[in-house]
Amino acid sequence: QKEVEQNSGPLSVPEGAIASLNCTYSDRVSQSFFWYRQYSGKSPELIMSIYSNGDKEDGRFTAQLNKASQYVSLLIRDSQPSDSATYLCAVPGGGNKLTFGTGTQLKVEL
Amino acid sequence: KAGVTQTPRYLIKTRGQQVTLSCSPISGHRSVSWYQQTPGQGLQFLFEYFSETQRNKGNFPGRFSGRQFSNSRSEMNVSTLELGDSALYLCASSLGSGGQQNTIYFGEGSWLTVV
Repeated sequence: QKEVEQNSGPLSVPEGAIASLNCTYSDRVSQSFFWYRQYSGKSPELIMSIYSNGDKEDGRFTAQLNKASQYVSLLIRDSQPSDSATYLCAVPGGGNKLTFGTGTQLKVEL
Repeated sequence: KAGVTQTPRYLIKTRGQQVTLSCSPISGHRSVSWYQQTPGQGLQFLFEYFSETQRNKGNFPGRFSGRQFSNSRSEMNVSTLELGDSALYLCASSLGSGGQQNTIYFGEGSWLTVV
């Protein structure tokens, strides 16, 4: 079983809509979770981190964590074409090792 | 403040050759990790170095190796290149040894093509 799973997409949403990206993980002891954004041909960029159950908001981004269900999600409000990218969910695996999901490609259409 | 710097950015090698990639972490960062990214396998962890010691190693063959120098700069080497080694190799640096508040920053990567 893969440690971190994401739907590869593409997920298409119209401009101004809410984009919902989901991630499940297998290791019940995981304590922190990260969302990275990666534009085509570029390196991953950290956009959100979450450590506690519940919601964490940062601008148009909201991360949601449910440890009981081993589920973490990322909501992007008022989606813009510039949000079109691949979104990677990552879980720490000791030290500074990160285990990534395969990523969800988001397309925001005009 | 300069980010994570990787060199070279692009390179083409022939099967059987070896390659060395270099990474300079953000100033003051002591941890350097390497990742391989391919369309089929996604982002996979290769290894991590902290204060010149390898702390973590991913599930890659022994052809993949690395080291870290006293100034925290790191190199990774791939010997006897195979076509499947064609990938984006990403270096990441962080300040501390891990933990919730330890942000990991990625470099722009080195694109390796094996022909």
